[in-house]
Amino acid sequence: DVQLVESGGGLVQTGGSLRLSCAASGFIFSNYAMSWVRQAPGKGLEWVSSIGGSGGTTYYADSVKGRFTISRDNSKNTLFLQMNNLRAEDTAIYYCAKYMVYFDYWGQGALVTVSS
Amino acid sequence: QSALTQPRSVSGSLGQSVTISCIGTTSDVGGYNYVSWYQQHPGKAPKLMIYDVTKRPSGVPDRFSGSKSGNTASLTISGLQAEDEADYHCCSYAGTLVVFGGGTKLAVL
Repeated sequence: DVQLVESGGGLVQTGGSLRLSCAASGFIFSNYAMSWVRQAPGKGLEWVSSIGGSGGTTYYADSVKGRFTISRDNSKNTLFLQMNNLRAEDTAIYYCAKYMVYFDYWGQGALVTVSS
Repeated sequence: QSALTQPRSVSGSLGQSVTISCIGTTSDVGGYNYVSWYQQHPGKAPKLMIYDVTKRPSGVPDRFSGSKSGNTASLTISGLQAEDEADYHCCSYAGTLVVFGGGTKLAVL
């Protein structure tokens, strides 16, 4: 069975940094693109970033471009999201998801709270 | 990139049908046959219900169906059941970007 398990969430001050991880299992990780999708409290889903299977191509939403970096370690079946210069509006549950032009598997989410 | 437009809420009685709309542009919904729909129960992760506009993943009941006309995609749920009460999110591929709708809360009366 496909499993995606996020970690690394927590409380951080405005301007601070945080690194999320997503451990994947149950599929050939390097064959698939992966994404991060977030959901602010009481709000809808927002796509954050995607990365190709080899890690050579990356895409970002305008709201995080220049502050967030997506990466992956295919030898460890792990996806990462490095988040710098965090703002209050980045407060959300961050989901990692397997991406095939649609998101067919999702993790349980990691809560990131940015507070001054 | 603007979000896709969904109604904030819809409702239907047990056994009835409801349709949720998702309005985009020629840059997303209208430009690609890559619309997907996700069901989300409170406190849970989203679940894929429809992909590539009309396709259902294995295990999703055939009561759920998707369609598209121009820049508007739709999700129809027939034979409403109590467990269908949830939030529904539409999503579209948009080239190098992905765009979601604001989500629709479905109440089953």
